[in-house]
Amino acid sequence: EIVLTQSPGTLALSPGERATLSCRASQSFSSSNLAWYQQKPGQSPRLLIYGSSIRATGIPDRFSGSGSGTDFTLSISRLEPEDFAVYYCQQYGSSPPYSFGQGTKLEIK
Amino acid sequence: EVQLVESGGGLVQPGGSLRLSCAASGFTFRSFDMTWVRQAPGKGLEWVALISRSGGGTYYADSVKGRFTISRDNSDNTVYLQMNSLRAEDTAVYYCAKDGSYGRIREDSVFVYYYFMDVWGNGTRVTVSS
Repeated sequence: EIVLTQSPGTLALSPGERATLSCRASQSFSSSNLAWYQQKPGQSPRLLIYGSSIRATGIPDRFSGSGSGTDFTLSISRLEPEDFAVYYCQQYGSSPPYSFGQGTKLEIK
Repeated sequence: EVQLVESGGGLVQPGGSLRLSCAASGFTFRSFDMTWVRQAPGKGLEWVALISRSGGGTYYADSVKGRFTISRDNSDNTVYLQMNSLRAEDTAVYYCAKDGSYGRIREDSVFVYYYFMDVWGNGTRVTVSS
């Protein structure tokens, strides 16, 4: 079973700054099998990125994803107030379970 | 509008059972795998179970294997999660999610399949407590 470790656990930044979130896997898998989700308090998760770098429909281009093998990154180029939330990566390895990382909380500094 | 609506949550005693439902609308339900994901209070997301579009394939997290059963009714556009032998650690909001995966041929002529969940319900809360 693939274990995903996200870092940092909490990231405190100001609006307008750039955010870089990391997701590291315990074993390598295809970059097409990595997705990122955003969750705001009291809301359901929302798909941001799939295939490690493809933005989902309606996602602003300030969000970008990259990575391969065991190391993946979600970047937000210029933080907007609505971007402060918890972000999760998820892997679809060779077979279920399709685990999530533990999440990174992006908070306002 | 594509929509998923969960129901069936509530308060149940340890050792008890509960059946969650997720009603789908706005898309061809029988063409997509469906997943249940849960979130314990103040915690992260936990993948729970997946059912293939036909219902012929089911997969579970180790934490629920042997206690939970996922099923679907393609004539009624509904996916279920039967939860037995419930424990305090099963307390969570349970979300159902629609698979959005697809495949395509890239510019380098390699076929790639992308996996993700593109639609989520609002969740139903399950509390296991005496």
